[in-house]
Amino acid sequence: SYELTQPLSVSVALGQTARITCGGNNIGSKNVHWYQQKPGQAPVLVIYRDSNRPSGIPERFSGSNSGNTATLTISRAQAGDEADYYCQVWDSKVVFGGGTKLTVL
Amino acid sequence: QLQLQESGPGLVKPSETLSLTCTVSGGSISSSSYYWGWIRQPPGKGLEWIGSIYYSGSTYYNPSLKSRVTISVDTSKNQFSLKLSSVTAADTAVYYCARHEVDYPIDYWGQGTLVTVSS
Repeated sequence: SYELTQPLSVSVALGQTARITCGGNNIGSKNVHWYQQKPGQAPVLVIYRDSNRPSGIPERFSGSNSGNTATLTISRAQAGDEADYYCQVWDSKVVFGGGTKLTVL
Repeated sequence: QLQLQESGPGLVKPSETLSLTCTVSGGSISSSSYYWGWIRQPPGKGLEWIGSIYYSGSTYYNPSLKSRVTISVDTSKNQFSLKLSSVTAADTAVYYCARHEVDYPIDYWGQGTLVTVSS
């Protein structure tokens, strides 16, 4: 079955750029979606189909996808961006990555 | 604005069947192209997709849970339901209902409901 690999944790200094990766076999051929989840809350979609932002999501959030790695980039990181982030694809079923905890220092 | 709300027992005994219902409001569960799914998250762990159903009744299940899972839909009540049989403590999780299209993101989530498996 298709697997997505994310780093367990990523740290970023306040105001700097955070990059969270999602690895999968030829993931560049798939549509990747990214969710942000804060404690006690349901996930929120922040990027869909590799690089598209839903309405209401700041331009600081961007995404890319090529080869075997998709990347969520958060520019000018804020304290409020501290959360768990999950990538997701469709592979005849919904597949989630294991999640990455983003810490803003 | 579409809303999804999970309901069901918060405590289930080991070996019994977990049953949850998701009520959809603000839109029709019979809308074409949308799937209605269940996702769970054990305490402190990541998201796990359980399965999804189309209003016509066609289903997709996570292969790792398929033998224990049944998802059904009741279009007259605008609801869909999850049954997970033979539960163990490993099935303790927050269970979310959600909406998605094939190869599109999950765009609506319920608030989630914690189900604890314990005697």
